[in-house]
Amino acid sequence: GQQLNQSPQSMFIQEGEDVSMNCTSSSIFNTWLWYKQDPGEGPVLLIALYKAGELTSNGRLTAQFGITRKDSFLNISASIPSDVGIYFCAGQLRNQGGKLIFGQGTELSVKP
Amino acid sequence: EAGVAQSPRYKIIEKRQSVAFWCNPISGHATLYWYQQILGQGPKLLIQFQNNGVVDDSQLPKDRFSAERLKGVDSTLKIQPAKLEDSAVYLCASSNFMNTEAFFGQGTRLTVV
Repeated sequence: GQQLNQSPQSMFIQEGEDVSMNCTSSSIFNTWLWYKQDPGEGPVLLIALYKAGELTSNGRLTAQFGITRKDSFLNISASIPSDVGIYFCAGQLRNQGGKLIFGQGTELSVKP
Repeated sequence: EAGVAQSPRYKIIEKRQSVAFWCNPISGHATLYWYQQILGQGPKLLIQFQNNGVVDDSQLPKDRFSAERLKGVDSTLKIQPAKLEDSAVYLCASSNFMNTEAFFGQGTRLTVV
């Protein structure tokens, strides 16, 4: 079945630094989504990408849908303590009814 | 707009007991998903409904798991009998239609002892 490889698994950064994480797959996806999950909570949607090559921003977050449709990255600029959490990428296939395939997550820690 | 509601938030049961989780999706959302998230992993789809019909239940362990969405709104997920490896967070999500963004509830953390 489809699998997503998300890297890095964890990151420890200083407040104010920029962060980059990415997701790759052997399969092509129609949509890429990035979620953030805080402890004890469900994933919260950050950014949705619908077209190959698309670059979308949401505040300090920027994500891109790779040209090959097999990858995506998420950048966070000028990190702050509340950015702490686990970030998940998810790929979606139209011919599978919208089912989301999730990566393993990137755990972000921000030192004030 | 109210989000996806799930209950209970936490449940502890002994192995071989049964348990049920409830989900109320965002109003008007036709598609409802149940995901299982084991500690340290990303969510994995168990079952997907479109209105009250099942779209995908290929990853649902049907010998012990069942789910229903009788009126196309609320849904329940049941495990009977539970095993230790069922310990996980069970997440419900909904979307307007298939192939649109899914929004998640807070989840139910199940511990099987």
